[in-house]
Amino acid sequence: GAGVSQSPSNKVTEKGKDVELRCDPISGHTALYWYRQSLGQGLEFLIYFQGNSAPDKSGLPSDRFSAERTGGSVSTLTIQRTQQEDSAVYLCASSSRAGGRLVNSPLHFGNGTRLTVT
Amino acid sequence: EDKVVQSPLSLVVHEGDTVTLNCSYEVTNFRSLLWYKQEKKAPTFLFMLTSSGIEKKSGRLSSILDKKELFSILNITATQTGDSAVYLCAEGSGNTGKLIFGQGTTLQVKP
Repeated sequence: GAGVSQSPSNKVTEKGKDVELRCDPISGHTALYWYRQSLGQGLEFLIYFQGNSAPDKSGLPSDRFSAERTGGSVSTLTIQRTQQEDSAVYLCASSSRAGGRLVNSPLHFGNGTRLTVT
Repeated sequence: EDKVVQSPLSLVVHEGDTVTLNCSYEVTNFRSLLWYKQEKKAPTFLFMLTSSGIEKKSGRLSSILDKKELFSILNITATQTGDSAVYLCAEGSGNTGKLIFGQGTTLQVKP
């Protein structure tokens, strides 16, 4: 597609429910990232996928968070048993990195999913 | 732990003013420093800097990196109301591709 697509754009859920957030990266981009942005804060790294390599999960805040990337394209971020502190905008980004080096390949972001846990 | 700190956190100026936004970083294996502009939703890419002392310029915006002192600045001259946004700085370190973002500078340009 022309850009990174995320769905849904908004999600309101009750505390304790599970949610799934979807990211469709730019076609051909091998790297995919998930970030979280709380109100008035910077971007907090969650997870990074690069090609067929094992994902870097070092930013996931708890074991309630997981993500997968199927077929090297679409990614789903799952939050189980949501808590109020999970409320944030979840941003997905992709880039055309190659060989693990960030060379002239800035991240392209989607518009995010605004998650509200009531 | 890698860290990026931006200052000021917020700034209010009037149209026509020049502003300088600061970004300092602490990294173990620096690769690049990036600037993004975030208006309502998706951050949009402005600059990527890898070499010290070389200014990158795009219209009224320019940026430069100092790898010795571990900081970068983003300058905006003749500001316009459309420049109002959150400006994010990020560093890419090591071979993981992970970008670490600062907390952002919120710029408001008044008419």
